[in-house]
Amino acid sequence: TQLLEQSPQFLSIQEGENLTVYCNSSSVFSSLQWYRQEPGEGPVLLVTVVTGGEVKKLKRLTFQFGDARKDSSLHITAAQPGDTGLYLCADGSHNAGNMLTFGGGTRLMVKP
Amino acid sequence: NAGVTQTPKFRVLKTGQSMTLLCAQDMNHEYMYWYRQDPGMGLRLIHYSVGEGTTAKGEVPDGYNVSRLKKQNFLLGLESAAPSQTSVYFCASRKSSWRLYNEQFFGPGTRLTVL
Repeated sequence: TQLLEQSPQFLSIQEGENLTVYCNSSSVFSSLQWYRQEPGEGPVLLVTVVTGGEVKKLKRLTFQFGDARKDSSLHITAAQPGDTGLYLCADGSHNAGNMLTFGGGTRLMVKP
Repeated sequence: NAGVTQTPKFRVLKTGQSMTLLCAQDMNHEYMYWYRQDPGMGLRLIHYSVGEGTTAKGEVPDGYNVSRLKKQNFLLGLESAAPSQTSVYFCASRKSSWRLYNEQFFGPGTRLTVL
């Protein structure tokens, strides 16, 4: 059974600071998705990475996929209060249901 | 488009009571999923469906049943609720595609407390 570990579990920072959160797998990712979940809502997809070494940018968010496809990182530059939420990584799987396996998440709070 | 909707938003049950959570999607998606979310554990898959009339077990299916009588609806049932089923329940849907990494669209969740 694949295990996805996210670190840190909690992060509280001031507005304007930079931060990086990590997602590590016990096995190679099929594909790696990052979701953000705001309080009281369901997760929303931010990005999908598929190729080892891939880097994708979404405004102030930079996503990296490890060369060996067993780890990924999310870097936020100049964090804003609107970035507050739970960040979840998820691995797609090669099975009939195309199920996602989620990590435990990193809960980020950005204080004004 | 409403996307994925869930009813009810909140519910309190007593141990042993039963209830059904309803998920509806208007995106004509083939695949639908039920997850539960507990603190520090991300989302865990309960059951899923790859099409109307088909269902399958996920990671944590015990104590739950599901039905997919119509393509747009996916029902999650608790026959005899237990305090361990206190959680936030999310429904999701996605298109059927050869692309494994298609996005899943989530509903807003149902917060269930079992006393």
